Amino acid sequence: EVVLTQSPGTLSLSPGDRATLSCRASQILSHSYLVWYQQKPGQAPRLLMYGAYFRATGTPDRFSGSGSGTDYTLSISRLEPEDSAVYYCQRFGSSPRYTFGQGTKLEIK
Amino acid sequence: QVQLQESGPRLVKPSQTLSLTCSVSGDSINSGDYFWTWIRQHPGKGLEWIGYIYYSGSTYSNPSLTGRVTMSVDTSKNQFSLRLNSVTSADTAVYYCARDNYNDYAMDVWGQGTTVTVSS
Repeated sequence: EVVLTQSPGTLSLSPGDRATLSCRASQILSHSYLVWYQQKPGQAPRLLMYGAYFRATGTPDRFSGSGSGTDYTLSISRLEPEDSAVYYCQRFGSSPRYTFGQGTKLEIK
Repeated sequence: QVQLQESGPRLVKPSQTLSLTCSVSGDSINSGDYFWTWIRQHPGKGLEWIGYIYYSGSTYSNPSLTGRVTMSVDTSKNQFSLRLNSVTSADTAVYYCARDNYNDYAMDVWGQGTTVTVSS
């Protein structure tokens, strides 16, 4: 089973900064199978990015995805207070179908 | 606008069966365009994929839960359901239903989630 490790665990930044969130897979992963979600407190996760690079409907263009192989990155430019959330990466595989990273908490202060 | 809504008992006794239903509006399960999925999140923890059901009734569940999970679909009501038997406190979690866009390998619409507590 492919394990996803996200870093850092918590990221504290200021409005207007740029955030860089990492997701590392234990085995090479096709970019097509890498997804990012945003979860705000008390809410369900929301799809942000799919196929590593493609923004989901409604995702601002301040969000971008990059990476290949085992290393993937979610970048958020011009941080806004509303970006405070936990961000999860997810990978598609054979068994189980999906697994998730442990999440990165982004705090905007 | 597609919406999913979970419903079911919030409190289940140990060794009993957890039962949840997800009602879908704004889309038809019968379309065959998506898998219909259950995910859970333990208190303060990350996400765990439970399994999916297709409109045809075919299912696939997480091997870590195989043997305890049953999923069903009622296309006439546009609903799908989850049953998890022999529950323990380890099954206490927020349970989400979601729509799996299998072309993009992503859950693109989620229910709000329902907290299920296993306790006597």
